[in-house]
Amino acid sequence: DAKTTQPPSMDCAEGRAANLPCNHSTISGNEYVYWYRQIHSQGPQYIIHGLKNNETNEMASLIITEDRKSSTLILPHATLRDTAVYYCIVVNDYKLSFGAGTTVTVRA
Amino acid sequence: EAGVTQSPTHLIKTRGQQATLRCSPISGHTSVYWYQQALGLGLQFLLWYDEGEERNRGNFPPRFSGRQFPNYSSELNVNALELEDSALYLCASSLETHRGSPLHFGNGTRLTVT
Repeated sequence: DAKTTQPPSMDCAEGRAANLPCNHSTISGNEYVYWYRQIHSQGPQYIIHGLKNNETNEMASLIITEDRKSSTLILPHATLRDTAVYYCIVVNDYKLSFGAGTTVTVRA
Repeated sequence: EAGVTQSPTHLIKTRGQQATLRCSPISGHTSVYWYQQALGLGLQFLLWYDEGEERNRGNFPPRFSGRQFPNYSSELNVNALELEDSALYLCASSLETHRGSPLHFGNGTRLTVT
């Protein structure tokens, strides 16, 4: 699976949009970009995924660049409950591999 | 819709004992995956079950085994426990098995081996 690069941490003000970047320059054509998050002591929570097109659901939006070498997860209105570690992963099969992720802290 | 449920939430065993961890997938999901998340080592794939059959296993010794029941729930057994088996064991399920079908995780069983 292609590796991803994410900033180790970022802060966000409550109520503002949080934009989380991810680089995946070695992604291959059939690999999906997935985002999960993990709050301490809980299992990873699925957020969103995409292949080529931008995607939006009730939790977030995913913007994938045209060359697919990077993507951005957008949390439109961050709340304190969004404080978590966010993992961007590239998936070819079920053998998921999480890196260090981005620790997002939402501040009141 | 109920999510993936795992039991017990915490389990304490001594070295050499056996541990049994249980998982119920989301209703309608037939694939169950087991992962180990040890401190500082990230997520490690353990086992994949689909329609009652073991489809693949990760790079773990044979003392890690499991099964999937006709109702698609699953059990992970760890024999001859070692101290380094202490970790969060996560179960996930998916509706389909292709790469475009997301995995949904339970909150895990925290296994502590003393």
